Amino acid sequence: DARVTQTPRDKVTEMGQEVTMRCQPILGHNTVFWYRQTMMQGLELLAYFRNRAPLDDSGMPKDRFSAEMPDATLATLKIQPSEPRDSAVYFCASGLRGQGGTGELFFGEGSRLTVL
Amino acid sequence: TQLLEQSPQFLSIQEGENLTVYCNSSSVFSSLQWYRQEPGEGPVLLVTVVTGGEVKKLKRLTFQFGDARKDSSLHITAAQPGDTGLYLCAGAQSTGSNYKLTFGKGTLLTVNP
Repeated sequence: DARVTQTPRDKVTEMGQEVTMRCQPILGHNTVFWYRQTMMQGLELLAYFRNRAPLDDSGMPKDRFSAEMPDATLATLKIQPSEPRDSAVYFCASGLRGQGGTGELFFGEGSRLTVL
Repeated sequence: TQLLEQSPQFLSIQEGENLTVYCNSSSVFSSLQWYRQEPGEGPVLLVTVVTGGEVKKLKRLTFQFGDARKDSSLHITAAQPGDTGLYLCAGAQSTGSNYKLTFGKGTLLTVNP
């Protein structure tokens, strides 16, 4: 049963600490998205990769956030230093563009981040 | 300004009632997707509509894409408690190899038994 796997599921940290969230996309998918979900803003796009290349990270605060795909099986989202306003649920999603793909996104279960 | 406006934001109804939720934008989309999200989980795709005016049915759910591909609606007939969840619409825009899927804030539906 193919699915997107995210770690950690829950993270509580103190302001100023570094946070790294990891995502294993579905094997064979060529796109990876990072979204942040809050009650106030809903789902906000942070970064988008296609074939491991970053295509759009315009939604990401550049001074403290960074997103990478070191290989096809791992995507990372790093926050350094973290701030209380970063508290949210962070979702990774993968999909298949082209090659007969439908554009559907498959989401992980999310990483709930609380910054005190 | 939200690219996609969903209404209503909250909806609480009794089992057996019908309902419609809306997704509106001033932008044109190449396709529009509807997702449902349950607590503690990620959104799950319900349907994708591509053609202006397109209507798709999924059991008791009817999805419509506006003629101008700027808006969409989801109608649920005879709602059941299992329909409870956050319904999200997402508009797709493609520019070359860049592909952006933008979500509305969602409609939180509660169906009471």
